[in-house]
Amino acid sequence: DQQVKQNSPSLSVQEGRISILNCDYTNSMFDYFLWYKKYPAEGPTFLISISSIKDKNEDGRFTVFLNKSAKHLSLHIVPSQPGDSAVYFCAASARRGGGATNKLIFGTGTLLAVQP
Amino acid sequence: DSGVTQTPKHLITATGQRVTLRCSPRSGDLSVYWYQQSLDQGLQFLIQYYNGEERAKGNILERFSAQQFPDLHSELNLSSLELGDSALYFCASSLTLAGGKETQYFGPGTRLLVL
Repeated sequence: DQQVKQNSPSLSVQEGRISILNCDYTNSMFDYFLWYKKYPAEGPTFLISISSIKDKNEDGRFTVFLNKSAKHLSLHIVPSQPGDSAVYFCAASARRGGGATNKLIFGTGTLLAVQP
Repeated sequence: DSGVTQTPKHLITATGQRVTLRCSPRSGDLSVYWYQQSLDQGLQFLIQYYNGEERAKGNILERFSAQQFPDLHSELNLSSLELGDSALYFCASSLTLAGGKETQYFGPGTRLLVL
């Protein structure tokens, strides 16, 4: 059962334009969401996160939007740069009683290619 | 650089063997998480340790075990290895405050190849 889904395996955009990566989840207990960027043969690098009490979080060129009613989040990258080309993973966690575990459930990733 | 270190970077071994992967968390982080990334799957949570104690288990095989030592570094032991265990193994760490929603920072991974 895939609780976090990234339905687009790949996305290609032109340099300078907006990249929009989407993620859907099914577990209503998820209350914290993160986006990671991953290059081949490297570990995931944290980009940006959002708590379920917010609907938007912005950090420089990166903005994450959360729509809880639709169980959907998206990552916007504006403007896109060739160095943004990588696999982007959406991840979610559910705070458990006591809060001492925050295991992440990952989507399958979207390969973003930014064309110069 | 996330501050999480993993050794070795690459490991090639044969079926039936046993290997140990090592992880040092970021300074001050109390939680260590292990994830597996196979070719045909995304990142799968294996197990979490918090301040030396097991906190959560995911899809971890019985042939696999882990521990976290008093200095907070962690080891993942994989035994009776099979071809299908070939994967990237990532360690992540976080501070883990009670009730907190925290970011996990990942190490560079260990690439295991079982021949």
